[in-house]
Amino acid sequence: QKEVEQNSGPLSVPEGAIASLNCTYSDRGSQSFFWYRQYSGKSPELIMFIYSNGDKEDGRFTAQLNKASQYVSLLIRDSQPSDSATYLCAVPRFNAGGTSYGKLTFGQGTILTVHP
Amino acid sequence: DAGVIQSPRHEVTEMGQEVTLRCKPISGHDYLFWYRQTMMRGLELLIYFNNNVPIDDSGMPEDRFSAKMPNASFSTLKIQPSEPRDSAVYFCASSLEGWWEYSYNEQFFGPGTRLTVL
Repeated sequence: QKEVEQNSGPLSVPEGAIASLNCTYSDRGSQSFFWYRQYSGKSPELIMFIYSNGDKEDGRFTAQLNKASQYVSLLIRDSQPSDSATYLCAVPRFNAGGTSYGKLTFGQGTILTVHP
Repeated sequence: DAGVIQSPRHEVTEMGQEVTLRCKPISGHDYLFWYRQTMMRGLELLIYFNNNVPIDDSGMPEDRFSAKMPNASFSTLKIQPSEPRDSAVYFCASSLEGWWEYSYNEQFFGPGTRLTVL
């Protein structure tokens, strides 16, 4: 099983709808998670960070974390064509001492298309 | 700030040639990361540095790959000899020091270098 798994999509939603992106992870010890957005031909950019069970909201974006089920999701409300991109889930890896140095493991990414 | 700078933006070379990718991190950042992205394998961490010292190179695929950071403002990733399967987009990223389970310092990615090996 891969450390971080995402459905590659593509996921197509109409403008104004809610887009739901999912990510599962294998390490039960993982505590925090990132969502990155990557436009075609561009570099990844951070959009959300979550470490607590439950929901975290930032504008139209909501990250949901369920540690018991080992999944993290990203909801995009009122989807816009400008949200069309690949969304990457990432998990930091920690050593035995609890430090990470920023070592991230990324999922394959989910391609989202929002059509007018 | 200009952000992370990478050069060249595109590189086309022939199999067997040496390729050198360059990165200038954001001034003041302590960490520098090299990633490779392909359709098949996604975004993979190759190596990262802290204060110019390589910390973890376990992601470097083969001895053909090497990375250096001679000073705080410059890093190179070299492939010698290059092979067609090295074709990918190579990203450099940098961040400030300090990562914990419930906090972080954001990694800022450069624009990437698209490498094509014929």
